[in-house]
Amino acid sequence: GESVGLHLPTLSVQEGDNSIINCAYSNSASDYFIWYKQESGKGPQFIIDIRSNMDKRQGQRVTVLLNKTVKHLSLQIAATQPGDSAVYFCAENMDSSYKLIFGSGTRLLVRP
Amino acid sequence: GAGVSQTPSNKVTEKGKYVELRCDPISGHTALYWYRQSLGQGPEFLIYFQGTGAADDSGLPNDRFFAVRPEGSVSTLKIQRTERGDSAVYLCASSLGGASYEQYFGPGTRLTVT
Repeated sequence: GESVGLHLPTLSVQEGDNSIINCAYSNSASDYFIWYKQESGKGPQFIIDIRSNMDKRQGQRVTVLLNKTVKHLSLQIAATQPGDSAVYFCAENMDSSYKLIFGSGTRLLVRP
Repeated sequence: GAGVSQTPSNKVTEKGKYVELRCDPISGHTALYWYRQSLGQGPEFLIYFQGTGAADDSGLPNDRFFAVRPEGSVSTLKIQRTERGDSAVYLCASSLGGASYEQYFGPGTRLTVT
């Protein structure tokens, strides 16, 4: 399928290095944040989430950091692998709403 | 288990025609969502169903867009008098309930209006 994110900012990393993808969110009332990974021709895939009462959460090879003061979210991927190449979106959710508001995304390219 | 499925995967239609896009959510998921994704953008919310009813359709761009979920499972997004600006990937997602935030997305339907 056609790839998403043809005009997105791109982060290029060497295989095995750590990656950091950043996101600025818009609404100070947002209380839940999610990172999604989207490969070409596929729908977004849940990676990790964090609630506003936390500032850090770790998963398998991934860590999400939340700085509510400056409304900033980051996704850290340890030991980046070729299979991590995709477009990454942050999404925010406000006041226990079901509606996700997505950011514009970052393309991650992993060089072998 | 089976994920969210969407049909067709691709749809090409002429300006002015009517189209229907189908979503089969994960079995047992009561909440269903439609999003639209334009090239280079993140998905944008269109409509949310809890069971059979549209709990929020505030994201539908205009009255040419309509969605139904008559039996609380499969949903159909309907677009009348399609315009070239409707060209996008239409994504469907489902979750266990409105209070369960993890939304599982389908692969999308790529709609092209010529």
